Order: sequence, then structure tokens, then C-alpha cells
Amino acid sequence: GAGVSQTPSNKVTEKGKYVELRCDPISGHTALYWYRQSLGQGPEFLIYFQGTGAADDSGLPNDRFFAVRPEGSVSTLKIQRTERGDSAVYLCASSSLGTDTQYFGPGTRLTVL
Amino acid sequence: QKEVEQNSGPLSVPEGAIASLNCTYSDRGSQSFFWYRQYSGKSPELIMSIYSNGDKEDGRFTAQLNKASQYVSLLIRDSQPSDSATYLCAVNREGDKIIFGKGTRLHILP
Repeated sequence: GAGVSQTPSNKVTEKGKYVELRCDPISGHTALYWYRQSLGQGPEFLIYFQGTGAADDSGLPNDRFFAVRPEGSVSTLKIQRTERGDSAVYLCASSSLGTDTQYFGPGTRLTVL
Repeated sequence: QKEVEQNSGPLSVPEGAIASLNCTYSDRGSQSFFWYRQYSGKSPELIMSIYSNGDKEDGRFTAQLNKASQYVSLLIRDSQPSDSATYLCAVNREGDKIIFGKGTRLHILP
């Protein structure tokens, strides 16, 4: 079956612009996670959805970052007024109910010029 | 602050030898422990999970957990060049977010 997909694979934007990153989890997976990974670092937790609701958004760095999952499947990570420090690979992962095995998507490489 | 610590490496191991990767964590309430492998430019993939003290073996991989010492390790036997990657240690409490270490770069020397 299909794995986790993320679009776009690469996004280049200018400082101050708005970007949306999309994640399509494995079908039937109720949990969805967003991470950010900078070069030489491990994935840094941003937000976790269980179904449609954000179960934990403690990793979002500031109010420029927001994520939604309106129908409990696809999720969109939204970044307003992008800054150069937002440049990183944004990873999405999903897991099925009752398990903690997370399956990662290929990531979106965001570059803010 | 919950932390997961790993030596960044690189750790160089001759082909066919045993590679030993180590990880310590700060949260004594951690219940689940994971090792992910990440090839350059790719996303992490889960290779082992362990939940109780002791050893867990899966093919050439053995995960070891010592909760009293807050220590997790991964042994790779008969190391192959294809094992060259960054290995990420990750831990979490039940129902809580997973915290990743920075990873250890492993280089298997042919």
C-alpha cells in the first residue's frame, strides 16, 4: 500500500512569504505528527494530531506556525511570514491507533531566501 | 527539559565487525524506546523498538535497554557497507510525543 506522502518535495520562498506544506498519511492511520529537521540534528517535534484534533502542539515554535487536519486524514502545516531560520526539512509521520510505530514521509525541504 | 543524548560520531567500523551505538535519556518516566536509521537525504525508518529491560534481537540487530541507568544501545552484527547511515535514538512516555536524539553517524569501512 501507499506510504506517507508529502508535497511539495522542495519549496523555495522569500522571507516574509506564506507557505503551506501538505501531508497525506497512510490510509487508516489516526495519528499524524509533524517534525522539523535541521542539518545534523534529529527530528524536532512540532505537533501531533489524533483524528482531527491537535493532541499536542507544544513543539510549534511560535504563532507563525499552524497546522490543521480538518477531516482526520490529510494535514497542512502553515507558516506565516517565513524567516530564514525556518529553513529545514519538514517531516510528517503517521501511526495507527494503539501503536507507537511511526512511518515517516519523504519530507519537504523548505528554503527561505 | 527531556533530552536524548547520542555521540554524533562518525563511528567507523570495519565491515564484518560489530557496531555499537549508545544513547542516554533524561526522563525516567520514558516507557518506549526506538532506533531509527536515516540515510543521507532520506527520512527516518524504524528498525527496532524496545519496551522492557534486557535485550531484543531482530536479525543482525540487537537493542539493549537498561532503565536503571537510563541507557539504550543498538548492536549491529556483521556490519555491512549498507549499514552506513545516521542512527537516531528516540524515547517517549505512553501517549506523549517522541523525543529524538541528534543521531550517530555510522561509517562501515569496506
